[in-house]
Amino acid sequence: QSVLTQPPSVSAAPGQKVTISCSGSSSNIGNNYVSWYQQFPGTAPNLLIYENNERPSGIPDRFSGSKSGTSATLGITGLQTGDEADYYCGTWDSGLSAWVFGGGTKLTVL
Amino acid sequence: EVQLVESGGGLVQPGGSLRLSCAASGFTFNIYSMNWVRQAPGKGLEWVSYILSTGRTTYYADSVKGRFTISRDDAKNSLFLQMNSLRAEDTAVYYCARVRGTTMARYYIDVWGKGTTVTVSS
Repeated sequence: QSVLTQPPSVSAAPGQKVTISCSGSSSNIGNNYVSWYQQFPGTAPNLLIYENNERPSGIPDRFSGSKSGTSATLGITGLQTGDEADYYCGTWDSGLSAWVFGGGTKLTVL
Repeated sequence: EVQLVESGGGLVQPGGSLRLSCAASGFTFNIYSMNWVRQAPGKGLEWVSYILSTGRTTYYADSVKGRFTISRDDAKNSLFLQMNSLRAEDTAVYYCARVRGTTMARYYIDVWGKGTTVTVSS
């Protein structure tokens, strides 16, 4: 059972928009910054969003992040088949003194 | 090019030990904090351990506390994970990962290695 809760799967059609939620508590998301990671099968994760809504260089602006209270959201617009991957949220948990990941969300582009 | 290359994985019996290494290149290793993150077959990411850039502070997941030890050798640009009393549930791909962020609240992982596979089985 992950400390951060994500939906196991989401799906949408090419060109559409999808959002992936990440729910936590005051000891993690509520008081710390959230980052998001994309992982294709058989490969290492890749940083997508950091500090709630910042994109590293090279990440297209189709990807966005937001945070409100103890929840964070990853948004992807203009969906492409190449966006099919697993997506993970992560943050520091001050109460646990541990980094925590969400359980991951599998994105299917129909 | 910034690069992290893990090594040391393999097949080990339950109760055995293994030492993972991570060779860093392309950046000034001694100013970065580092992580180990693992992923069991078909499962999600699980953070394992963190070490501060100075090496003076370490954190561990409860699942490995008392069995795993993280360390670093800045002279060799290397990160290590000593794993003792291994269990079947430690079977996973282990990733070395670079940490960014001025404080723990801002902490994120910006560079990942390709991983090394650890299998614990008799």
